[in-house]
Amino acid sequence: EIVLTQSPGTLSLSPGERATLSCRASQSVTNNYFAWYQQKPGQAPRLLIYGVSSRATGIPDRFSGSGSGTDFTLTISRLEPEDFAVYYCQQYANSWTFGQGTKVEIK
Amino acid sequence: QLQLQESGPGLVKPSETLSLTCTVSGGSISSTSYHWGWIRQPPGKGLEWLGTIHKSGSTYYNPSLESRVTMFVDTSKNQFSLRLSSVTAADTAVYYCARPIESHPALFGSWGQGTLVTVSS
Repeated sequence: EIVLTQSPGTLSLSPGERATLSCRASQSVTNNYFAWYQQKPGQAPRLLIYGVSSRATGIPDRFSGSGSGTDFTLTISRLEPEDFAVYYCQQYANSWTFGQGTKVEIK
Repeated sequence: QLQLQESGPGLVKPSETLSLTCTVSGGSISSTSYHWGWIRQPPGKGLEWLGTIHKSGSTYYNPSLESRVTMFVDTSKNQFSLRLSSVTAADTAVYYCARPIESHPALFGSWGQGTLVTVSS
C-alpha cells in the first residue's frame, strides 16, 4: 500500500495569499495517477485535480497541481474565502489511498 | 442532474454486519459504463476507499478490507449496496457512495451526502 503524508497539517493564511500544500508518497506513483480533493465542514469531498495537474470540471484556474514520483504539490494562487477547507491528496496507481489532510484556515 | 443518496441503519452492534444502500437518481446505473464506489471517513479523520463496483457486477475492494467487504448492484432499483461484516468500533464513520468521472474509476466526481454509522453495543 502506498502511504501518503501531507504537510503541513494546518496552514494559516489570509485571503489573497498563495497556498502551497505538499503530499509525499511512500513509493513512486506511476502513470501520474495522483489527485487532490477539497472538503468543507459537513460536506462531501470535491474532486479538484487529477492526473497530477488536470483540473476537474468547474474548478477555477487558481487551483493547480504539480509533481512527480513521490512528491506532489497543490497550489492555490490567491485564496478566496470559499477556499478555506481541508484538502486531501489521493494516489490511484497502486490500490487507491488518501492522505490524512491539510487544513487551510483563515489567519 | 445525478444524485446519490445513502441509506441504512445508523447504529450497528459490534461483530454484526453493516449494510448500506445507495440510490441513484437522475441517471441509470445500467445505461452507462460508470463504476460506483464507497468511501468512508471516521469522525475527524481522513478518507478511506472501501471498494468499487461496475454495473456488470465486477468489483475492486480495498485489500485491507477485502475479507469483510461485499458490494452488489441492483439495476432494477437503480441502487448499489455495501456490506461490511464483523464490524468493530473502528468501523464507525461517515460512509459515502460516489460515482467516478469517466477518466478513471478511482476519481470520485459525484458524491452522496454521507451517512454516519456508529458501531456500538
